[in-house]
Amino acid sequence: EADIYQTPRYLVIGTGKKITLECSQTMGHDKMYWYQQDPGMELHLIHYSYGVNSTEKGDLSSESTVSRIRTEHFPLTLESARPSHTSQYLCASRRGQNTEAFFGQGTRLTVV
Amino acid sequence: GENVEQHPSTLSVQEGDSAVIKCTYSDSASNYFPWYKQELGKRPQLIIDIRSNVGEKKDQRIAVTLNKTAKHFSLHITETQPEDSAVYFCAASKTYKYIFGTGTRLKVLA
Repeated sequence: EADIYQTPRYLVIGTGKKITLECSQTMGHDKMYWYQQDPGMELHLIHYSYGVNSTEKGDLSSESTVSRIRTEHFPLTLESARPSHTSQYLCASRRGQNTEAFFGQGTRLTVV
Repeated sequence: GENVEQHPSTLSVQEGDSAVIKCTYSDSASNYFPWYKQELGKRPQLIIDIRSNVGEKKDQRIAVTLNKTAKHFSLHITETQPEDSAVYFCAASKTYKYIFGTGTRLKVLA
């Protein structure tokens, strides 16, 4: 079934650890996005990509990196996790311009 | 940088009444304006969208209006029902970027 998948769904990790959140979509979308969202609150754009090997920073990008080596895969890496990173991370994708974005189920991250 | 302001942050209405949520965007090059509904514990889902060459769009109880000159757009929900209770997000998009508003928590009182 065509969808956008995020793993893990839940993650508890210690301060200072390096972590990678996975996002894959099977819809052939060229554009992919990472957002940080506290429950029911604002969606903050972290990074986005408009195609393979093309990524851009959003407003909250300074402590994370992304890569887009394959169209369907857009992982987000936190080099050194901190308690302030505790949040939900949502991945989204869409095709072309002026189109709907589809969201994954999210990864709920807790840094202790 | 680009931003999208959304008001109000919370809205309570009686069942059957109308609800209006307003957004203002800063980048005049934005040309696509979707609205998303996010129920508790779920992912955001599109409910309606409008493109810059259209002033108004309606889908059953939901309508969106766009004023490009003033750079604002609004969501109108008529005959509200308890299942309309959720957080609603507007967004503005141009080319690649997709910027969301701050969200409105709508509560429909039975």
